[in-house]
Formats: sequence, C-alpha cells, structure tokens
Amino acid sequence: KNEVEQSPQNLTAQEGEFITINCSYSVGISALHWLQQHPGGGIVSLFMLSSGKKKHGRLIATINIQEKHSSLHITASHPRDSAVYICAVVNFGNEKLTFGTGTRLTIIP
Amino acid sequence: EAGVAQSPRYKIIEKRQSVAFWCNPISGHATLYWYQQILGQGPKLLIQFQNNGVVDDSQLPKDRFSAERLKGVDSTLKIQPAKLEDSAVYLCASSLGEVGQYIREQYFGPGTRLTVT
Repeated sequence: KNEVEQSPQNLTAQEGEFITINCSYSVGISALHWLQQHPGGGIVSLFMLSSGKKKHGRLIATINIQEKHSSLHITASHPRDSAVYICAVVNFGNEKLTFGTGTRLTIIP
Repeated sequence: EAGVAQSPRYKIIEKRQSVAFWCNPISGHATLYWYQQILGQGPKLLIQFQNNGVVDDSQLPKDRFSAERLKGVDSTLKIQPAKLEDSAVYLCASSLGEVGQYIREQYFGPGTRLTVT
C-alpha cells in the first residue's frame, strides 16, 4: 500500500462543475503540498498547508491532521484547469517529500 | 524572481548512449533535488544536495547515474549508459533551506523529458 493515496485517479467533468480530489496518507507529516503538473512536465506548487484550510482564487485546499486526509477543491472549473494534480507530504523528521501518483483532471468545454 | 531553470526540455537518445541534464536553482536556495518521474507515477527522489554536499543519494542507481553540484549553485545529472527504463521526466527542485526553517517549500523546474529508444 502506498504511503500517499489519491482518488480518483482520473476525473472528467463539464466546465463549471465543482471538483474534489482527495488525498489520504499513512505517515507522520509536517506539511502537505498540492501540486499541479501540465502535459509539458513542469510542476507548480499550488498550496503547502499543515492545518486548516487555504484558498487561492477558485482553488481551496483543506487538511485534517487527525484523519490524515486532505482535499483539493476547484470551483467553477475551466478547461485550463485540466492537468494532473499531485498530493505530496513532507515526512515528519527528514522533511522529504512522498508523492501520490496523481489525479488526471480533464474539464470538457 | 526567476524560477528553477532546466535544460534541455526534451532529449531523445538510443540505449547505451550517455546524456546530461542541467539545473540552475533559484538564487540563494541551498538545497537542490533531482527527481525521476516515470509516466503514470509520482516523482521519485534521486539525489538531494545541501550546498555542494550530498545529503541523500540512496535511490540513485550509482552504476549508471551521477550528479554533481560543484560550486553549490547549478547542478548536472548524468546517465551513462542509458537504458530503456530510464525514459522519464527528470525534475529539478530547490528550496531555501534556511537554518532553523523546519518546513522547506520546494520549487520545481519545468523538467526534462527523456526518451530512450
């Protein structure tokens, strides 16, 4: 079993829909990243959070440390949101990143 | 602020050839990481540098992979000889790594997509 599990693996939705991507982890962490990766390969950091909730534009990230679970929400989704979204946890103690396998999101116009 | 720079962006080579990738981290960032991302998987750490010293290279296949960061700034990752299974995106990341800063946010470069035929 992977230390970081994401669901769903693939998600296709219509433009305008509310999107939720989930991440569960089994190790002790000091923080969690949500990353966005476009087909070219480069990764952009969307959020780094260690508690509660963060919001940036149409993106919202939440984390529940007790339940070892985080969610990434996208409101009013747009085709340009189509990408792979990766959850990565900062391992407590050595600060190394452990990555999930990603969720491929496709927004259809 | 300029981001992490990598080159080349794409490379196609035949198996048994050698290849080198270059990374220039964000100015002032002490820590530099090289990751390998195989299609459909999350990135895997190959090597981590703190300034010009190696912190972790436990997952680097040292029989064919090598990396250096001689002046504590930019870095090169080399594969010699390449195998088909080395086809992947190679990502470089850097973090500030200030003394006493516990949580270090990593900034990623655009990656180099390597295809070995």
